[in-house]
Amino acid sequence: DAEITQSPRHKITETGRQVTLACHQTWNHNNMFWYRQDLGHGLRLIHYSYGVQDTNKGEVSDGYSVSRSNTEDLPLTLESAASSQTSVYFCASRDTLNTEAFFGQGTRLTVV
Amino acid sequence: SQQGEEDPQALSIQEGENATMNCSYKTSINNLQWYRQNSGRGLVHLILIRSNEREKHSGRLRVTLDTSKKSSSLLITASRAADTASYFCATDAYNQGGKLIFGQGTELSVKP
Repeated sequence: DAEITQSPRHKITETGRQVTLACHQTWNHNNMFWYRQDLGHGLRLIHYSYGVQDTNKGEVSDGYSVSRSNTEDLPLTLESAASSQTSVYFCASRDTLNTEAFFGQGTRLTVV
Repeated sequence: SQQGEEDPQALSIQEGENATMNCSYKTSINNLQWYRQNSGRGLVHLILIRSNEREKHSGRLRVTLDTSKKSSSLLITASRAADTASYFCATDAYNQGGKLIFGQGTELSVKP
């Protein structure tokens, strides 16, 4: 069965370190998204991609970057981790407009 | 800012009762979607309603959409303890290229 997986599921890192969260989908979807989820804010869009070599900033993109070298993967990089980036991160993919999105299980990141 | 605003933020009911959650949004949409999130898990798609639809059913779920008021509601009938979860609306905004923007969610607790 097709799926979307995130790794790691949990990570603790130190302030200032670079961190990369992985997202891999086997749906062959062109559209992929990264969200962060914090209490009181729901899910906020960080970055998204409509296809290989395409990346776009979402509403909370500062301090994050993504790259899309193939259809299956959209890794999220925190250039220099900050305590404000402690959060749960979700990756999602969808096929086209008017379709549902499929979510990974999330990565809980703690920056100390 | 969030596209979708949900009401109430938290809802506690007894098993067998109906649960109604509301979502308001700000811009024109292609469709509106509802998702469910169990504690510590990813989001799971429940139902999608297109902008030209007014009502949609799926099992015990009923979704309505009023584009003139920019609002939607999710009704869960005959609720069960297993329905305990957070519920999110997400808008697929017109001219936003497939980004899904989420509300803050409603936390539903169904007591046996």
